[in-house]
Amino acid sequence: QSALTQPASVSGSPGQSITISCTGTISDIGTYDWLSWYQQYPGKAPKVMIYEVTQRPSGVSNRFSGSKSGNTASLTISGLQAEDEADYYCCSFTADRGFVVFGGGTKLTVL
Amino acid sequence: QVQLQQWGAGVLKPSETLSLTCAVYGGPFSGFFWSWLRQPPGKGLECIGKIDEFGVISYYNPSLKSRVSISMDIHKKQFFLHLSSVTAADRATYYCARVPYTSFHLDVWGTGTTVTVSS
Repeated sequence: QSALTQPASVSGSPGQSITISCTGTISDIGTYDWLSWYQQYPGKAPKVMIYEVTQRPSGVSNRFSGSKSGNTASLTISGLQAEDEADYYCCSFTADRGFVVFGGGTKLTVL
Repeated sequence: QVQLQQWGAGVLKPSETLSLTCAVYGGPFSGFFWSWLRQPPGKGLECIGKIDEFGVISYYNPSLKSRVSISMDIHKKQFFLHLSSVTAADRATYYCARVPYTSFHLDVWGTGTTVTVSS
């Protein structure tokens, strides 16, 4: 069982917006802003899309945005495109380990 | 552009030791944690451990701690993973990754090494 909780799957049509939630505890998401999101295509390494809750690395589309409220973080993808179909993982620093833990992953399907 | 190139044996027999190397190209070794992670087939990501530029291990996954060792060679800009007494449960794709000290996200990843354990 993963330390952070994500929905197993979400779906949306091209052009729509979707949000993926990630729920943790006061020991991780609730206290620290070291919260990141990763996109992973089958057979490929993960790629960071959001870090420090809201920051986008250079080269990542501004259709990707992040937020946090309490113990829950969210990744929003607007203007959904077929290329966004992938697995998405949230990741947070946790005081319990002095390092990071991941969510179980969410499979995004673009209808 | 920083790249992590990883290599090691992809097929092991039960009870053998998994050994992987990750080399850092195009960027500094200092100023970052260097981490190993794994992903069983069809499952999520799991952190194995991390090491800093001084060779200090500040995290090992508790479930693997008795079998895992991470080390580094700063002069070669390489770090290493050893996992002893492997079983079928250790079958996974293993990744190395870079973690900036200041933000605890994994900003550069290796391409992954698929490890199979079979007698």
